[in-house]
Amino acid sequence: SAVISQKPSRDICQRGTSLTIQCQVDSQVTMMFWYRQQPGQSLTLIATANQGSEATYESGFVIDKFPISRPNLTFSTLTVSNMSPEDSSIYLCSVEGRTGGDEQFFGPGTRLTVL
Amino acid sequence: DAKTTQPPSMDCAEGRAANLPCNHSTISGNEYVYWYRQIHSQGPQYIIHGLKNNETNEMASLIITEDRKSSTLILPHATLRDTAVYYCIVRVPPTDKLIFGTGTRLQVFP
Repeated sequence: SAVISQKPSRDICQRGTSLTIQCQVDSQVTMMFWYRQQPGQSLTLIATANQGSEATYESGFVIDKFPISRPNLTFSTLTVSNMSPEDSSIYLCSVEGRTGGDEQFFGPGTRLTVL
Repeated sequence: DAKTTQPPSMDCAEGRAANLPCNHSTISGNEYVYWYRQIHSQGPQYIIHGLKNNETNEMASLIITEDRKSSTLILPHATLRDTAVYYCIVRVPPTDKLIFGTGTRLQVFP
């Protein structure tokens, strides 16, 4: 299994500011994913982050709002830009397990509140 | 869009088997069925996955119908700690994306 940590675990931010969330994995992985979970809702995939290439965003998510970095095989960041109260959510990263159909592992999440 | 449908909630008595159904009628031949659960305020936890055959591990059993259009997750002896939201997910190769549906909120009661 993979051990994933996220920083910060929670934050309260003002409208119009930006927050960068870090995801650190204890082993090298090719694929990392970023999800959003709005209050009382299921998880929604934001983007797939592969090392050495641009992130691939899902419909409804754009790079200007959610820029992603993937500088190496154990680390990624997601920035939530120009925040509004609607961005209040839990943001989670996940990583692939072994190749060939195995499980993905999720981080503990970052709980963001925008005032 | 999610390719699965699940009942929004279920109850189960502690010690009894919990049987959680999932419909995935549009599943393709190379798509796996995955089950995760999310205990309040934590990241989702992997439970089990399968393609065609029934699968069992230390946590649960997964029964997939022959036509692969539905499946059932079985927790053989539910405990209070199994109270969580359970997600049935179809994983789409080669992207390996997990597209979550709305899940089933399982409440285990004493």
